[in-house]
Amino acid sequence: GAGVSQSPSNKVTEKGKDVELRCDPISGHTALYWYRQSLGQGLEFLIYFQGNSAPDKSGLPSDRFSAERTGGSVSTLTIQRTQQEDSAVYLCASRGGAGVSYNEQFFGPGTRLTVL
Amino acid sequence: SQQGEEDPQALSIQEGENATMNCSYKTSINNLQWYRQNSGRGLVHLILIRSNEREKHSGRLRVTLDTSKKSSSLLITASRAADTASYFCATDEGTPLVFGKGTRLSVIA
Repeated sequence: GAGVSQSPSNKVTEKGKDVELRCDPISGHTALYWYRQSLGQGLEFLIYFQGNSAPDKSGLPSDRFSAERTGGSVSTLTIQRTQQEDSAVYLCASRGGAGVSYNEQFFGPGTRLTVL
Repeated sequence: SQQGEEDPQALSIQEGENATMNCSYKTSINNLQWYRQNSGRGLVHLILIRSNEREKHSGRLRVTLDTSKKSSSLLITASRAADTASYFCATDEGTPLVFGKGTRLSVIA
């Protein structure tokens, strides 16, 4: 079946502009995660959605970052007034569903954001 | 904050050799997972080892877990050029997973 998809695959923007990154998780997966990965670094947790529960926003680096998940499926990560240090690959992952290991996270291909 | 710390940061070996990567962590975990990443893009789940397990195999992969030392190792046997990638350990102590910075493995043909 289809995996996790993300769009756009690449985004170049100017400092100060807002950007929206989209994630389509695997159908039926109840959990959705956003991570950020800077060049040569590990994954930095940003935000986590689980079903209808309030999202865990503890990893968001500033109030310029926000995310929503509509209808328990598609998620959008918004970065307002982008800064050069926001340049990174933004990865989305989903987890959960019948017939799969509940602990395994399935990752999308990521969106490479470059802020000029 | 990152909990898993992989060692070494980079590893270069010849095709056919074995590759060993280590991961250390700091707190109690439910399980530990290893992921692989090609070209800085999405990660692929390789193997999961639960806190009550000591060793697990999957194909050419062998994972060990020592909860007393809070460490894990990933062994790739008979490496191939296609194994070239970054490998991350991730500790599951609830949600979310906590990833280390990874080991960059280069397998030279």
